[in-house]
Amino acid sequence: EDKVVQSPLSLVVHEGDTVTLNCSYEVTNFRSLLWYKQEKKAPTFLFMLTSSGIEKKSGRLSSILDKKELSSILNITATQTGDSAIYLCEVGSWGKLQFGAGTQVVVTP
Amino acid sequence: EAQVTQNPRYLITVTGKKLTVTCSQNMNHEYMSWYRQDPGLGLRQIYYSMNVEVTDKGDVPEGYKVSRKEKRNFPLILESPSPNQTSLYFCASSLSIGSNQPQHFGDGTRLSIL
Repeated sequence: EDKVVQSPLSLVVHEGDTVTLNCSYEVTNFRSLLWYKQEKKAPTFLFMLTSSGIEKKSGRLSSILDKKELSSILNITATQTGDSAIYLCEVGSWGKLQFGAGTQVVVTP
Repeated sequence: EAQVTQNPRYLITVTGKKLTVTCSQNMNHEYMSWYRQDPGLGLRQIYYSMNVEVTDKGDVPEGYKVSRKEKRNFPLILESPSPNQTSLYFCASSLSIGSNQPQHFGDGTRLSIL
């Protein structure tokens, strides 16, 4: 059975800290892994990682796909209160898409 | 503006009264999907559609129906809602399943079944 597991489920950090979020997966016919940020409403896209693009960076956020370990990490450096959100990992195979339970990040001033 | 539109945004209803949540996208996307989001469980896929007249079950399809008669619309039907279907529902679309494109999400529909 396919599964996607995110850890930790939640964490609280101070502004300026670095956070590392994990996503591991067991999916047949893996196609891609995506990270989304969800604040009050709909998830918004952050990164997509595939077999041909295993590392992405945008400002203070970066993500790496480890194809051998079947996992990905999302790093946020110099965190700000605006980074407070639920971070979701989505893993796609052909047709079905599966999400992890999400990691709730709270950044305190 | 490219968007996915869900209606209603909020609905409180009673057990057994059929309801439909509409979803429409204006991006000519082939792939559409419905999710429910419950605390601690993340987004769970209910049904998905890879194109017109092609639908398939996700992980939690029991108690739901969908149809895809036109490319832009993908309604979610609860024939006989029950309290365990109280949840936050999201519709999403993407270009196609093979395009490696992210999903665009609607703003969500919060359903309460009493």
